[in-house]
Amino acid sequence: EPEVTQTPSHQVTQMGQEVILRCVPISNHLYFYWYRQILGQKVEFLVSFYNNEISEKSEIFDDQFSVERPDGSNFTLKIRSTKLEDSAMYFCASSMDGYEQYFGPGTRLTVT
Amino acid sequence: AQSVAQPEDQVNVAEGNPLTVKCTYSVSGNPYLFWYVQYPNRGLQFLLKYITGDNLVKGSYGFEAEFNKSQTSFHLKKPSALVSDSALYFCAVSGTGGYQKVTFGIGTKLQVIP
Repeated sequence: EPEVTQTPSHQVTQMGQEVILRCVPISNHLYFYWYRQILGQKVEFLVSFYNNEISEKSEIFDDQFSVERPDGSNFTLKIRSTKLEDSAMYFCASSMDGYEQYFGPGTRLTVT
Repeated sequence: AQSVAQPEDQVNVAEGNPLTVKCTYSVSGNPYLFWYVQYPNRGLQFLLKYITGDNLVKGSYGFEAEFNKSQTSFHLKKPSALVSDSALYFCAVSGTGGYQKVTFGIGTKLQVIP
C-alpha cells in the first residue's frame, strides 16, 4: 500500500540554523500539507499546497517558514532561522481529493 | 472557526468490553469528520471518515463512528476492545470545500486493560 514518507526521522539543530524537512507524498495525490505537534499538545495545521502554490496557511506559518515542491515528487518544509519553540514533530500529509489525508511518520525536530 | 472537542483525556476499558471515545465539533456548513490513531513514536494513521451518507461509518480495525448532526457529535466506537487498541485517538474536522485544513482535537488516550 502506498504511503507518505518523511526524512529525516529526527533532526537536531542549533537555534538560528536553517532546516529542511523532506516528504515524499503518495504519487498520484494532488494536495499536500504540513502539520506540527509540539510534545504533549494537539496536532496543528501549518500549510496546505495545491497546484504548485499555497492554498491556505495558519498564523504559525510566518515568514520563517516556506514550502516547495521542487521536482514533482518531493515536498519540503524549510524553516529559515529555527527557534527553540520550533521543536516539535512535523507531519507531512497528502490527499487525492483534499479530504482524506494520509500522514507520514513525522520528523522530530529538536532545536537546541 | 472550526473546532473539535474531545472531553476525555483518557478512557479506560477492559479487554472485550465495548469502547466509546467521544468527540464533538463545530464548523460552518457541512462537516467532514475523521478519526486518526497515533501509536507511540509513530505517525497518524487514518481510521475512518464521514463525508456524507449513512450516519454510521465503518473503518479500520473494527472501529466505527456515528455522526449525529443535532448533537454535533462523532463518537468513535468498537464493540469489543483489544489490548492492541491502546493508543492516542484524535478526532478531526474540516469544512466544506476542497483542500480544507484539518483541525484536530487534543486527543484521547485509550487504555485497554487485559
